[in-house]
Amino acid sequence: AQSVTQLGSHVSVSEGALVLLRCNYSSSVPPYLFWYVQYPNQGLQLLLKYTSAATLVKGINGFEAEFKKSETSFHLTKPSAHMSDAAEYFCAVTRMGGSYIPTFGRGTSLIVHP
Amino acid sequence: DTGVSQNPRHKITKRGQNVTFRCDPISEHNRLYWYRQTLGQGPEFLTYFQNEAQLEKSRLLSDRFSAERPKGSFSTLEIQRTEQGDSAMYLCASSPPAAGEYNEQFFGPGTRLTVL
Repeated sequence: AQSVTQLGSHVSVSEGALVLLRCNYSSSVPPYLFWYVQYPNQGLQLLLKYTSAATLVKGINGFEAEFKKSETSFHLTKPSAHMSDAAEYFCAVTRMGGSYIPTFGRGTSLIVHP
Repeated sequence: DTGVSQNPRHKITKRGQNVTFRCDPISEHNRLYWYRQTLGQGPEFLTYFQNEAQLEKSRLLSDRFSAERPKGSFSTLEIQRTEQGDSAMYLCASSPPAAGEYNEQFFGPGTRLTVL
């Protein structure tokens, strides 16, 4: 079984500030981990993925995430928030092999203030 | 660049009516997934096709739900005798053939269903 917990349904930052969105996972086998972004009235778009290679993963739009096995975490960060980053962010976990069907967290809404 | 398309984008129906949604995946993608997303939640897996074969179904997919992908191209999701609890965003995603490595799922914009 696998699951994802995203701490904080809303995160509010000022433009230019550090963005930190938290994700903790539970998986009985080595996981694949993902962050997706969803803008209003749009589908989900993959930001980045961890597939057991480098533990620090760089994604699109300046986002990155670090896989920490000891903490079972995969937090998403961005050094400087931009207004266009305001969206819903979802962390997801899937098992290696098989149908790769991800289990998503409940999402974190990122609010960026000018 | 044609991504995943879904039709209709919005559907309002009365309780007890049947509804059908369509998903057109990216043309070379053989894998197709349906998800349901309710307010404040992440997408929840419903069912998965590889080509025309339906390989997995979630227990969320009650007997009122049926999905097809007759020729391994587009897919339809039908809900019979809709209930207010079916109100949600229904998302479709597709991915290319997996080769021992996770392939990114490309999501459509979704169909928002409102059951009155």
